[in-house]
This record gives sequence, structure tokens and C-alpha cells, in this order.
Amino acid sequence: AQSVTQPDIHITVSEGASLELRCNYSYGATPYLFWYVQSPGQGLQLLLKYFSGDTLVQGIKGFEAEFKRSQSSFNLRKPSVHWSDAAEYFCAVGAGGFKTIFGAGTRLFVKA
Amino acid sequence: EAQVTQNPRYLITVTGKKLTVTCSQNMNHEYMSWYRQDPGLGLRQIYYSMNVEVTDKGDVPEGYKVSRKEKRNFPLILESPSPNQTSLYFCASSPYPGTEAFFGQGTRLTVV
Repeated sequence: AQSVTQPDIHITVSEGASLELRCNYSYGATPYLFWYVQSPGQGLQLLLKYFSGDTLVQGIKGFEAEFKRSQSSFNLRKPSVHWSDAAEYFCAVGAGGFKTIFGAGTRLFVKA
Repeated sequence: EAQVTQNPRYLITVTGKKLTVTCSQNMNHEYMSWYRQDPGLGLRQIYYSMNVEVTDKGDVPEGYKVSRKEKRNFPLILESPSPNQTSLYFCASSPYPGTEAFFGQGTRLTVV
């Protein structure tokens, strides 16, 4: 069955430090892959997406993610975190058919 | 401005009192979905619609109904709400299933 795993429920990083949020998926073919961010009281906003081609994709707000087929992973990275990045982050897989499957989310805390 | 609009944003109701949460998109998307978000569970799909008059169940459809009489609107109906339907609900639309989703701001529903 298709699934998305975000192993970290929450992560705390210092402002200015680098960030990596992990995402692993289970799907038979190459899926469409997404990262969304949810700020408090807001809906989800797309950060970036991977459909095909270059496995390193750039997104908004300085985020990037790398698709690694051999590891079934699509980890999100940012070289220097800002306090405004504190939010919940969701990895998602467009798993064919008519659905998108979301991970449980990782909440990012940023300390000064 | 491209957007998905949900109403109301907040709703407190009593067990058994029918309610409707409205959702409207202005992007001419064919595909629309409803999700519920619960802590630790991420987003789970309730219902989706491929086009006008075409709807189908997602992963957690029990206790919910939907309709799609017009392309832009996709209301979520709770005929007899129960406390286990207390949750944060999101409507989303996409050009095609499994592709980038545009989310509404969410509706926080409490059933007492």
C-alpha cells in the first residue's frame, strides 16, 4: 500500500542553522512528490514539487528537496533557517489514481 | 487572485444538528477534495470529485456527504455530526488528481 513517513514529529533548530526534514514514501512507480508548509491558523501552501527530471528541486522561501529513488526519499533542506520558518511541514505523494497521500507532518521550532 | 474559499472558519455545533461547510474555487479546476486534519495523523481524504456530478469516497468518508453541482463549488455536509468529527477540515482543488493542490484556510469544527 502507498504510504508516506515523516520520521520526526518535531524538530528544533537554532536560527541560522541548516535544516533537513526527512520523508520516505512507499509507492511502486515514480510518484509525484510535494512538500507543503502550514503556518499556524493557515491552510497548506506548496513549497516545491517533483514530477520528473532533475532530482534536486528548488522551491519558494529558499527551500530545496532531493529525490533519491534508491532510498525512496524526498528530504527537504534549507541552508539557513529563519524564525519565520517555524511551522508544520507535510510531505505528500501523488500516488496515481485519484488521491494524494500526506505524511503526518513535522513541526519545526526555531530558537533564537 | 487564485484561491479556495471555505466558510465558516470556525464552527461549534451540537451532536446531531446538520451542518454544511462550503468550499469554492476560482481556478476552474476539475478536481476537488475534502480532508480532515487530526494531530499525529496528517491529512486524511474524506471525499473527492473529478468533475461536476462525479464524486467518490476517500479514506474516511463515514458520516460525511458531498455534492458537486457546479464546477467551482464542493460543499461538505454532516447530516448528523458526532463528537468524533471534531477536527480541522480543509478543502483543496487541483488541475488534475495527484498534482499540486491549492488549499482553503480551513474550518475548525467542534461538535459537543
